[in-house]
Amino acid sequence: GQNIDQPTEMTATEGAIVQINCTYQTSGFNGLFWYQQHAGEAPTFLSYNVLDGLEEKGRFSSFLSRSKGYSYLLLKELQMKDSASYLCAVTMDSNYQLIWGAGTKLIIKP
Amino acid sequence: ETGVTQTPRHLVMGMTNKKSLKCEQHLGHNAMYWYKQSAKKPLELMFVYNFKEQTENNSVPSRFSPECPNSSHLFLHLHTLQPEDSALYLCASSQEMGRPGESFFNQPQHFGDGTRLSIL
Repeated sequence: GQNIDQPTEMTATEGAIVQINCTYQTSGFNGLFWYQQHAGEAPTFLSYNVLDGLEEKGRFSSFLSRSKGYSYLLLKELQMKDSASYLCAVTMDSNYQLIWGAGTKLIIKP
Repeated sequence: ETGVTQTPRHLVMGMTNKKSLKCEQHLGHNAMYWYKQSAKKPLELMFVYNFKEQTENNSVPSRFSPECPNSSHLFLHLHTLQPEDSALYLCASSQEMGRPGESFFNQPQHFGDGTRLSIL
């Protein structure tokens, strides 16, 4: 079967760094997406990793280890507006569907 | 402005009603999707259209009926829904559906803000 695991909820402090993990077990793998979703709003695309390693985009970085079935999203210099749910999703090499995790709700405290 | 607009934003209906959800995208995309999002659960893909042709129907009950008249518009027709159908319904679009090895295989999906549906 297909399975993606993320922590349900995390709390962090404004200005700090937080790492949101995502592990996956899927029959085939092509790449992994991260999306951000604020309450009551649309999910928005953050990053896409195909190759192993870290990709940095400003305050946000995403890491992938294909051999370990593991990814993380790293958020630096946290701001209150980063309070949102973070969804990871896997694309498989056999079809075009995305397999979604349930999302991690990130709460930022002053 | 997300580029993908869904109406209505909120809908309350009885189990015997018939209603439709509308999605419109202004991004020039050729693939459109309907998802169901329930609290603390992964997004559930319901239907996929690629160049107006339905390519996926993930065992969705027949009380949900999609319609895609053109690449910019997508509808979800609802009738005799059940209380467990209460959820956020999200529409998304992407450049087009791809196959492994194709350059657009993993284009990100652009989502609308969703319709919050409550079944009484």
